[in-house]
Amino acid sequence: GQQLNQSPQSMFIQEGEDVSMNCTSSSIFNTWLWYKQDPGEGPVLLIALYKAGELTSNGRLTAQFGITRKDSFLNISASIPSDVGIYFCAGLPPGGSEKLVFGKGMKLTVNP
Amino acid sequence: DGGITQSPKYLFRKEGQNVTLSCEQNLNHDAMYWYRQDPGQGLRLIYYSQIVNDFQKGDIAEGYSVSREKKESFPLTVTSAQKNPTAFYLCASSIGRAGANVLTFGAGSRLTVL
Repeated sequence: GQQLNQSPQSMFIQEGEDVSMNCTSSSIFNTWLWYKQDPGEGPVLLIALYKAGELTSNGRLTAQFGITRKDSFLNISASIPSDVGIYFCAGLPPGGSEKLVFGKGMKLTVNP
Repeated sequence: DGGITQSPKYLFRKEGQNVTLSCEQNLNHDAMYWYRQDPGQGLRLIYYSQIVNDFQKGDIAEGYSVSREKKESFPLTVTSAQKNPTAFYLCASSIGRAGANVLTFGAGSRLTVL
């Protein structure tokens, strides 16, 4: 089945630094979603992307839907301590399926 | 406020017991989902339901059962047949229309088998 390769698996950064993460696949997707999960909680949607090439910002977050439809990236600028958590990408494959495919997540640690 | 409520937040079970995790949503969403999360792993789909009284197996349905008698409710039973049930369980819902499948998640339930 389809798989998403999310990288890096973890990052340790200093407060104020920028962060970049991406998801890639050998298959195309119609929708890319980025979620953040705080410890012991459910994931919360950060950004949704629906068109190839789309670049969307949400505050300090910027995400892009790759032009090939096989990848997406998420950037966080000027990180703050509350950015810690696990970031997941998710893609909706073509074909009418309602089933999202999830990456394995990127654990972010921000040192004050 | 609309959202998804999962209960209990923490649950302990002895081997051989069945347990049921509750999931209720007031978002008027048609589709509901159950995922399992293990440390360092992505989310794996257990079961999903796109309409009342209908549900489909996901990627890891063995040892689990569900029901969808009401639009708002999608309980998950972890049966004694599930060999490694200790995990974090997440319920989610979506509008359900193809192309609009953004999931809203509950806060999760952590099941520990003693």
